[in-house]
This record gives sequence, structure tokens and C-alpha cells, in this order.
Amino acid sequence: GALVYQYPRRTICKSGTSMRMECQAVGFQATSVAWYRQSPQKTFELIALSTVNSAIKYEQNFTQEKFPISHPNLSFSSMTVLNAYLEDRGLYLCGAREGRDEQYFGPGTRLTVL
Amino acid sequence: GEKVEQHESTLSVREGDSAVINCTYTDTASSYFPWYKQEAGKSLHFVIDIRSNVDRKQSQRLTVLLDKKAKRFSLHITATQPEDSAIYFCAASASGSWQLIFGSGTQLTVMP
Repeated sequence: GALVYQYPRRTICKSGTSMRMECQAVGFQATSVAWYRQSPQKTFELIALSTVNSAIKYEQNFTQEKFPISHPNLSFSSMTVLNAYLEDRGLYLCGAREGRDEQYFGPGTRLTVL
Repeated sequence: GEKVEQHESTLSVREGDSAVINCTYTDTASSYFPWYKQEAGKSLHFVIDIRSNVDRKQSQRLTVLLDKKAKRFSLHITATQPEDSAIYFCAASASGSWQLIFGSGTQLTVMP
């Protein structure tokens, strides 16, 4: 079956430091990967959409300078939160998809910023 | 851009009763409407979806209805069980785009 893994599951970082999170698709080819953030208020925000061999598209309020993303192949993507501050805390979800099929979500990386 | 509104932030039902969660969307180009379930401390789990070429889809105890004219879709759960308790999110995306716009979530509680 199709599975999406995310590492780490939980991480704590000091304010102003950076942390990297990874997303791995197993059992299908992740031609597209979307990164979302679920805030403590539970709403989901799309950070960026990454399609292999295409430019990464960032949503308003999110930039490559703050959330650089790498999507080097059909099974792996990573995103870094640079200079993390309190407002960056939340659950970061990776959603991967092959073509027009259903989007599979990973378990998320929960970021706490001290 | 697309906005998805989920009308019930909380919903409590007794075990065995039915539950209905309603969502509306704004973009007439939206054509794919999935529902996800999130249990406490966990990620999103796909529940059911519907595409705009149909107005009803059923899978066991779950039924999704789509009213394109009203730009409304709903999730119906029959014979609810305590394990159905979770936050349910509706979402929408336009044809040719798979960017999902999520609703704000409905906390469903099924009381034994």
C-alpha cells in the first residue's frame, strides 16, 4: 500500500535556530508533495507545493527564504524551518500524491519552539 | 482564492445515531472534495471523497453529498460508534490543481 513517513515525529528547537524535516513516500511515486502546517488553532495552511521537475510554488505568507524545500526524487522531500520562532510552532504535514490520485499524508512533525 | 467553510465546529451525537457535517466552498472550479479524519495527536487519515461528476457517493456507513449549485457538500455518518469520534476536515481543490483548501474542522463526539 501507499505510505508516507515523516521524520522526526517531534522536535524542539530554540528560538532563532533552524530545523529540518523529512518526508518519504513508500509504495508509490510522489510526483507532487505539499507541505502544510496545522496551527494550535487546528486550521491547515498550505506552505508550498512541489512537483518533481518543476519550480516549487509557495503560498502567500510563506517564502523559500524561510521554508526552503528540496524534492530531489519521486520518494523524498525535505523542508527546513529557518530561524524558527514561536509563531512557527505546530504540526507540519507532508501530503504526497502520484498524478491525480488521492493525496496521502504523513504522520506529521510536531515542532515546538522554546 | 478558494475558501472552504465548515459550519459545525463541534457535534455531539449518541452512539447509533447519525451525524452530518456540512461544508461550503466558493470556487466554482473546485471539482474534488475529500474528507479527512484526525484523531487526537495523530495525522490526517483519508475517509472518503467525491468528484464533481457525481452528486452522491457511499462507502459503508459514510455518504458524501455534493450540491454544485449551492456549492455545498456534506458528510453523513450513520450508526455512529465511539471510535468515529475525531476531528473531521473537509477540503476542496480545483480541476487540474491538487492544492487542497481545508475547512476549519468539526470535532465529532459520539457518546456511548
